[in-house]
Amino acid sequence: DIQLTQSPSSLSASVGDRVTITCRASESISKYLNWYHQQPGKAPALLIYAVSTLYRGVPSRFSGSGSGTEFTLTITSLRPEDVGTYYCQQSYSTVYTFGQGTKLEIK
Amino acid sequence: QVQLQESGPGLVKPSQTLTLSCNVSGGSVNSGGFYWTWIRQYPGKGLEWIGYMSDTGSLNYNPSLRSRLSIAVDTSTNQFSLRLSSVTAADAAVYYCAACGYTSGGSTGVWYFIDYWGQGTVVTVSS
Repeated sequence: DIQLTQSPSSLSASVGDRVTITCRASESISKYLNWYHQQPGKAPALLIYAVSTLYRGVPSRFSGSGSGTEFTLTITSLRPEDVGTYYCQQSYSTVYTFGQGTKLEIK
Repeated sequence: QVQLQESGPGLVKPSQTLTLSCNVSGGSVNSGGFYWTWIRQYPGKGLEWIGYMSDTGSLNYNPSLRSRLSIAVDTSTNQFSLRLSSVTAADAAVYYCAACGYTSGGSTGVWYFIDYWGQGTVVTVSS
C-alpha cells in the first residue's frame, strides 16, 4: 500500500494566520491527491481533489499544490471554523489510503 | 444532492458477522456516477478505506479485509451494504458509507474523490 505521511501532526495558529500542512507519499502518486477536513463529531468533508481543484463551495482561502510525492495544503487567513483535523488521501492505487491526519487548533 | 445514512447494530459479538446498510437519497444507486464506498475510522482517528462497488458493478476491496468482506447494492431499496465476517476487537470503529465521485482529468486520467459521506455509525465488538 502507498503510505501517506502528514506533517505536522498537530498545530495551533491564530485567526488570520497562514497555515501549511504537508503530505508526503511513499511513492509517486502523480496528482491523485485529495484533501479533507473533519470538524469535531462530524464526517470528513472534501476540500480539494486532484491536488489543487477546489470542491464546490469550498472557500478560496484553501489551496493545494504539489505533485509526485510531496503535496501541501495551505489555508490563508485562518478562520475559527477551520478547526478540526485535515487528511490527505490518494487515489493513485486501487487501494486508497489516507494520511494520519493533522489536528488544527485556534490559539 | 446525495444524502447517505448508515444503519445497523452498534454492538457485535466477536466471531460474528457485522452487517451495515446505507440508505441513499437524492440519487439512485444504479444511475451511475458514483462508486458506493465504505470507510472506517478508528478511535485514534485513523481512516481506513474498506472498499467499493462501482457503478458498473465491479468490486474493489482492501486486500487486508478481502477474505471477510462483501459489499452489495440493492436497487429495489436504493441501498448498499457491507458484510464483514469473523469480527474481532480490531474491527471496532466508526463506519462511514460514502459516495466516491469521479471526473475526467483529460489526458491525465480520472480523478476519484469521496464527495458524499454518511454521518457514521459506531460499531463496538464485545461479548
